[in-house]
Amino acid sequence: GDSVTQMEGPVTLSEEAFLTINCTYTATGYPSLFWYVQYPGEGLQLLLKATKADDKGSNKGFEATYRKETTSFHLEKGSVQVSDSAVYFCALLAYNNNDMRFGAGTRLTVKP
Amino acid sequence: EPEVTQTPSHQVTQMGQEVILRCVPISNHLYFYWYRQILGQKVEFLVSFYNNEISEKSEIFDDQFSVERPDGSNFTLKIRSTKLEDSAMYFCASSEWSRERTNTEAFFGQGTRLTVV
Repeated sequence: GDSVTQMEGPVTLSEEAFLTINCTYTATGYPSLFWYVQYPGEGLQLLLKATKADDKGSNKGFEATYRKETTSFHLEKGSVQVSDSAVYFCALLAYNNNDMRFGAGTRLTVKP
Repeated sequence: EPEVTQTPSHQVTQMGQEVILRCVPISNHLYFYWYRQILGQKVEFLVSFYNNEISEKSEIFDDQFSVERPDGSNFTLKIRSTKLEDSAMYFCASSEWSRERTNTEAFFGQGTRLTVV
């Protein structure tokens, strides 16, 4: 079935470091891909999305490019801040249903 | 900005009791979902609901679970006889329907933390 695999954490970085969180997917057809963020004690918030191959989603300095050839949607940020500390979830929405599948989540801690 | 609202934010219940978790989806959305997140673990799909019936459900969503849209605004998840392992954060979500699939990301509520003792 459709699934998402993301790198396991936790990830600990210093402020202003470069961030990459890997995400790969398995799906039939052409899914839409998402990154959600969960700040401590809060629900899931959409961070960015891409709906077709080669699309780049971006928001708050974060970027991810939908790579069909490598079935990947890696999340990147050039310079992280302490306020970026959260759990990041990669997610997939298959073309032929409305069951959004999530990766296991990657906890990011940014230290000053 | 429209948002998904869930009540209560935290519920404690005794094992074997029934609980109902409530959600008010965004008003023009047509798809509704329940997910759960056991503490520190991944977000797991439970069920999706469209046109007043279950669209898809996971293996977690067994006979002790049921969903209902009792009126035009609420969407509820009922757990009939709670078990200790049902303790988790339960998230409701809703999404639009789009033939072009350009606006169908799910919008999540803040969650209800269920603690079964």
